[in-house]
Amino acid sequence: KNEVEQSPQNLTAQEGEFITINCSYSVGISALHWLQQHPGGGIVSLFMLSSGKKKHGRLIATINIQEKHSSLHITASHPRDSAVYICALNYNTDKLIFGTGTRLQVFP
Amino acid sequence: GAGVSQSPSNKVTEKGKDVELRCDPISGHTALYWYRQSLGQGLEFLIYFQGNSAPDKSGLPSDRFSAERTGGSVSTLTIQRTQQEDSAVYLCASAYRGLEQFFGPGTRLTVL
Repeated sequence: KNEVEQSPQNLTAQEGEFITINCSYSVGISALHWLQQHPGGGIVSLFMLSSGKKKHGRLIATINIQEKHSSLHITASHPRDSAVYICALNYNTDKLIFGTGTRLQVFP
Repeated sequence: GAGVSQSPSNKVTEKGKDVELRCDPISGHTALYWYRQSLGQGLEFLIYFQGNSAPDKSGLPSDRFSAERTGGSVSTLTIQRTQQEDSAVYLCASAYRGLEQFFGPGTRLTVL
């Protein structure tokens, strides 16, 4: 069983919709990361969090340590948000364990 | 340079040849990571350097893979006797003391 499970695997939305991507994990962690990978392949770190909630622009990330669950929300989605969103964990060490990603397509 | 750089951006090689991939981390970052992403697959950890500590090599798939980090800065990932299953995008990331990781653009390796 993968330590990190993401859902959904694929997600399509109309511009302006509110989007939620979920990440569940089965191990104790020191931090959880949300990454964004654009079609060109470049990866950008969106959030690194170990508790609570963080907000950056239209993006919000939350984590519930007790339930071993994190969510990434995108408000007022836009076609430029189309990308693969990856949940990754720091588990025991600083190296990352990755989820399989959620492919998001936002249509105008 | 402000970000992590990698070279070459693309590498095509023949099966059995050796290849070297280079990563220049962000200046001052103590941690350096190598990952790979095979076509249609998720990201996979390969190796991790942190300061002067012994590297964590637990993700290297075989003894054909090795990496070094000279002077605590530039890192080279070497793949000997390449195989077709080594074809992937190899990504480098750096971080300051295990905080947020900054990724390079990757090297796309194709083994014919």
